[in-house]
Amino acid sequence: RKEVEQDPGPFNVPEGATVAFNCTYSNSASQSFFWYRQDCRKEPKLLMSVYSSGNEDGRFTAQLNRASQYISLLIRDSKLSDSATYLCVVSRPYGNNRLAFGKGNQVVVIP
Amino acid sequence: DAGVIQSPRHEVTEMGQEVTLRCKPISGHNSLFWYRQTMMRGLELLIYFNNNVPIDDSGMPEDRFSAKMPNASFSTLKIQPSEPRDSAVYFCASRLDRTRGQPQHFGDGTRLSIL
Repeated sequence: RKEVEQDPGPFNVPEGATVAFNCTYSNSASQSFFWYRQDCRKEPKLLMSVYSSGNEDGRFTAQLNRASQYISLLIRDSKLSDSATYLCVVSRPYGNNRLAFGKGNQVVVIP
Repeated sequence: DAGVIQSPRHEVTEMGQEVTLRCKPISGHNSLFWYRQTMMRGLELLIYFNNNVPIDDSGMPEDRFSAKMPNASFSTLKIQPSEPRDSAVYFCASRLDRTRGQPQHFGDGTRLSIL
């Protein structure tokens, strides 16, 4: 089983709609969780950290489910500029110094 | 503040040649990471330094790859000799390991093509 698994998509989303996707991780001892955004031919950039109680940043909401070992990202009122690949990132345990990256969920917002 | 700076942005070279990629981490960050990204394999960690010391190089593909961090503000990733299958985007990232959960900050990457 891969450390971090994501459905690559693409997720075609009408502008203004809501899109949500999950990411599963294999190591129950993982400590830290992040969503990164990567635009085509660009570097990954931190979108948001994911906290145990769930957290929101504007139109973006992240949730963590430790029991089922998944994290989720929800984007409300999608904008054309939200089109990107969203990488699920999980820290490996025992030092928190290595991150495992999923291959990403590709989101395409359609006018 | 300046982010992570990588050079060159693009490199095209013939197989067998030596390739050197460079990275300047964010000032004050004490951890530095080298990644490789391809369509097939996604983002893979090659090596990670903490306080200029290599901590985990288990991701380095083979002996043709080597990395150094002579000081806190500079690191290199070298491939010698290069092969076409090394073609990828190579990212450098840095982080301040102050508390748990600190994110990594990526450079713009080096797009490497080996002909």
